[in-house]
Amino acid sequence: GAVVSQHPSWVICKSGTSVKIECRSLDFQATTMFWYRQFPKQSLMLMATSNEGSKATYEQGVEKDKFLINHASLTLSTLTVTSAHPEDSSFYICSAGDRGLSYEQYFGPGTRLTVT
Amino acid sequence: QKEVEQNSGPLSVPEGAIASLNCTYSDRVSQSFFWYRQYSGKSPELIMSIYSNGDKEDGRFTAQLNKASQYVSLLIRDSQPSDSATYLCAATMNRDDKIIFGKGTRLHILP
Repeated sequence: GAVVSQHPSWVICKSGTSVKIECRSLDFQATTMFWYRQFPKQSLMLMATSNEGSKATYEQGVEKDKFLINHASLTLSTLTVTSAHPEDSSFYICSAGDRGLSYEQYFGPGTRLTVT
Repeated sequence: QKEVEQNSGPLSVPEGAIASLNCTYSDRVSQSFFWYRQYSGKSPELIMSIYSNGDKEDGRFTAQLNKASQYVSLLIRDSQPSDSATYLCAATMNRDDKIIFGKGTRLHILP
């Protein structure tokens, strides 16, 4: 299957700072990537759909000015958590699919963010 | 509103037995269906996809789809303790549409 990577795998930052998370499709091109957040023992929550070359589509209740998404190339999408607060501490996961192959979406390994 | 429903479990199954996981979906135009496995603290891993009615087998896993009943299931034969995880059922309409996930079923395989 297709391979998706994320960087960093974990990050600790101080309240008020910004953190950037990268999502890369390693062996395919992805015009669309998805960003999720998952709190402990809870289900996946879709935050936004990242579209290459255009603005991201955010889910209801997700602040677009706080969670900045940039999809500048067919293999890279970034999520920046701006002015992070402890309540933003969570597991952030991206997914992408190879349009040339199938409808399947593959997840990156996730980024664990802790805001102190 | 598109929804995917799963029993949250936990579902406890003895080692070596068949584990049966079920899922229903609300949107009749859904075309693609997936089962993901998620271990605690890890991201989901795709284990099966199914697009047409009937059964699809891959090793110890069999996915079953019944579009008339809007029902998807996953059977795990010869269950192993390593199969203990949360299984997520998902559906989508097309390649770039977002995947709608169920909340997952926790499966415990008892040694």
